[in-house]
Amino acid sequence: AQTVTQSQPEMSVQEAETVTLSCTYDTSESDYYLFWYKQPPSRQMILVIRQEAYKQQNATENRFSVNFQKAAKSFSLKISDSQLGDAAMYFCAYRDLYNFNKFYFGSGTKLNVKP
Amino acid sequence: DVKVTQSSRYLVKRTGEKVFLECVQDMDHENMFWYRQDPGLGLRLIYFSYDVKMKEKGDIPEGYSVSREKKERFSLILESASTNQTSMYLCASSFPTDTANTGELFFGEGSRLTVL
Repeated sequence: AQTVTQSQPEMSVQEAETVTLSCTYDTSESDYYLFWYKQPPSRQMILVIRQEAYKQQNATENRFSVNFQKAAKSFSLKISDSQLGDAAMYFCAYRDLYNFNKFYFGSGTKLNVKP
Repeated sequence: DVKVTQSSRYLVKRTGEKVFLECVQDMDHENMFWYRQDPGLGLRLIYFSYDVKMKEKGDIPEGYSVSREKKERFSLILESASTNQTSMYLCASSFPTDTANTGELFFGEGSRLTVL
């Protein structure tokens, strides 16, 4: 089975600074999707950014961008100009291209943002 | 916007009680899921459903059952709650995957269940 590893249980960043959250995954597939989800305290989990494995260009959504290294099976999330509202649990997730039910989640990284 | 609503945010039940967790989505999604979230373990799939009355087991189905009588509603049932089922339960929904969408999950706010 595919596995997703987030090696940083908790991280802190100063407001307005940049932080990078790490994620690695293991798969034998060549086509798949990768996601970063954000779960604010006591609020619902929302999608931050997605990456299709067949696309070489790294996805970007405003202050959020990814560094997708397919050969290394690495998918890190960079948050620029961190804001207090970025404080949350962040989950990296992998999904096979054709198995809609098979999402594999990492254990999460708690991000603290210091004012 | 997609809205996934879970009926109870917080529940406290006693061991042996039957527990119902309800989830409703308003975007006509075919797929619905129940996940369990525990610290350090991420999200683990309990059951999913790809159509009315259709269900399949996920990775940790033991002690749980589900019901999907209507497309918009997916219920998780704990037949006899046990203390090791104390957890956060997340409902999610999605469209079927095709070339037009990645099948991303839309989540509810979660139901935190404590079994005493």
